[in-house]
Amino acid sequence: GIQVEQSPPDLILQEGANSTLRCNFSDSVNNLQWFHQNPWGQLINLFYIPSGTKQNGRLSATTVATERYSLLYISSSQTTDSGVYFCAVSFSSNTGKLIFGQGTTLQVKP
Amino acid sequence: NAGVTQTPKFQVLKTGQSMTLQCAQDMNHNSMYWYRQDPGMGLRLIYYSASEGTTDKGEVPNGYNVSRLNKREFSLRLESAAPSQTSVYFCASSVGGSNYGYTFGSGTRLTVV
Repeated sequence: GIQVEQSPPDLILQEGANSTLRCNFSDSVNNLQWFHQNPWGQLINLFYIPSGTKQNGRLSATTVATERYSLLYISSSQTTDSGVYFCAVSFSSNTGKLIFGQGTTLQVKP
Repeated sequence: NAGVTQTPKFQVLKTGQSMTLQCAQDMNHNSMYWYRQDPGMGLRLIYYSASEGTTDKGEVPNGYNVSRLNKREFSLRLESAAPSQTSVYFCASSVGGSNYGYTFGSGTRLTVV
């Protein structure tokens, strides 16, 4: 089955630093999403990005579908960015069901 | 709009008890999903409903049943709870197909003792 691998598993940053999170997937996908799970457990959809590049404020994401990876960039990190970042992919065009990676746990220190 | 609403938020069950987790969305989404999240792990799909009237198994369906009651509601039932089902359960919905993002509920933290 499809494998989704995220790196690094853990990341500690000082406030103001930049970071790049990576998601590799083992097969062709037609849906890729990035989520942020905050320290209270809420899952927030950051990007729907099966290909190309998108930006939303200090966050941006790039997916290179032909090379089977996606990157999430966080610039000028803030303590509120702390939490777990998940990449999730789907290979089914009909159901939209997602397979999640293990996540990257980010801690931003003040 | 409320988005995706899950009830209850917390629950403690004794082994062998049954319960139903409720999920409702008010976004007119076609597809709904149930995931579980265990410590240090990503989310794993239990069951999903691609559209009203259909349900199908995900990665970890054993010990669970689902009902797509109508377009808005998708419930998850544990018939005989086991300690291995201690987890945080998330419901999600999407417009449908592969072209749209998910919206998640706030989760149900379930402990089976």
